[in-house]
Amino acid sequence: DIQLTQSPSFLSASVGDRVTITCRASQGISSYLAWYQQKPGKAPKLLIYAASTLQSGVPSRFSGSGSGTEFTLTISSLQPEDFATYYCQQLNSYPPDFGGGTKVEIK
Amino acid sequence: EVQLVESGGGLVKPGGSLRLSCAASGFTFSSYSMNWVRQAPGKGLEWVSSISSSSSYIYYADSVKGRFTISRDNAKNSLYLQMNSLRAEDTAVYYCARDPYGSAGFDYWGQGTLVTVSS
Repeated sequence: DIQLTQSPSFLSASVGDRVTITCRASQGISSYLAWYQQKPGKAPKLLIYAASTLQSGVPSRFSGSGSGTEFTLTISSLQPEDFATYYCQQLNSYPPDFGGGTKVEIK
Repeated sequence: EVQLVESGGGLVKPGGSLRLSCAASGFTFSSYSMNWVRQAPGKGLEWVSSISSSSSYIYYADSVKGRFTISRDNAKNSLYLQMNSLRAEDTAVYYCARDPYGSAGFDYWGQGTLVTVSS
């Protein structure tokens, strides 16, 4: 199975900050990576798929990059509504597992 | 509007069974693969099972293989998860999620249904 390691697991940032979250795969997954945002008590929301394609309706301050084994999710200017937990997911092969998550909190 | 509504969760004793349902609306259900994903209290997301649009392909996480069965009824626009031999570690919120392309993430999720396994 492919393991996904997210870093950091916790991040404290201020409104307006540029934030970068990394997801590393234990083997190459081409660009078959998705990013999700989850707020407490809510279902996850798809932000980015195919490593860098923004899901419809997602603000352009979110961007994704990478291929192979290293991927990043960047929020260019953190907004109050962006404080949440972020997960990556690989879709290269079964099982389509998730990373451990990165919780973004207000500094 | 795409909607996924889970039901069937509740409190069950270890070793017991439960059947979850996910009612889909607002899209052509029979054209999409579907998934179950769970989240234990305070923990991360765990993929549980997938089923292709025509039920030809079915996959399970190792943690539930042999105990859980995914199925669907395209005529009823419904997805199911039969859970047997439940364990305390199966306690989680269970989400159904739509898979539009097979490799581009899960684009719509239900609100989740809580399964608690406890004596």
